[in-house]
Amino acid sequence: DAGVIQSPRHEVTEMGQEVTLRCKPISGHDYLFWYRQTMMRGLELLIYFNNNVPIDDSGMPEDRFSAKMPNASFSTLKIQPSEPRDSAVYFCASSSTTSGGFGKTQYFGPGTRLLVL
Amino acid sequence: DAKTTQPPSMDCAEGRAANLPCNHSTISGNEYVYWYRQIHSQGPQYIIHGLKNNETNEMASLIITEDRKSSTLILPHATLRDTAVYYCMGLYNRDDKIIFGKGTRLHILP
Repeated sequence: DAGVIQSPRHEVTEMGQEVTLRCKPISGHDYLFWYRQTMMRGLELLIYFNNNVPIDDSGMPEDRFSAKMPNASFSTLKIQPSEPRDSAVYFCASSSTTSGGFGKTQYFGPGTRLLVL
Repeated sequence: DAKTTQPPSMDCAEGRAANLPCNHSTISGNEYVYWYRQIHSQGPQYIIHGLKNNETNEMASLIITEDRKSSTLILPHATLRDTAVYYCMGLYNRDDKIIFGKGTRLHILP
């Protein structure tokens, strides 16, 4: 298996622009998580899906952030409009109910490094 | 509020056991403790998890105190390749919250 795939790996954009981050979970996994990592705040869970349905988005910082999962093999995290404080590494992770369910044994992607100028 | 705390950094001599502590004083019931590590800027990698009993796998051992308020990840024979940031994670079932600690940067000294 190729593991969790994220694209792009690096993104540089200007303040006010729309940014879309993409994630392909491991085939067969039914949980998908989006995290943000910064030096100041560490790893923060933004939102997670179960069977393509958003379950908890309480970690989404504000309305500028949105996430979708149109099918079991694809998810997007969108920031519109982007701001310099959104600069961070965004990780996608997936896990499977058969490995214990929610949150357990998550497999992380390589991350997307976002820089908003 | 749920909280998971770790020391920011630790040193360990190569070949010695590295003992990484984590305080998860608000964990209870059937809530698990997980450990991940992050090498350079890669995505975190799962190491081990536990509920009440001590656990061991090919990567590490996990010791959980009887009151479950803290745990220790043990790397039995640390090598330079174990240099990484180690994250303790609480899986709080009561409100489906995942709380990562800030991580401990482990330096392996040759």
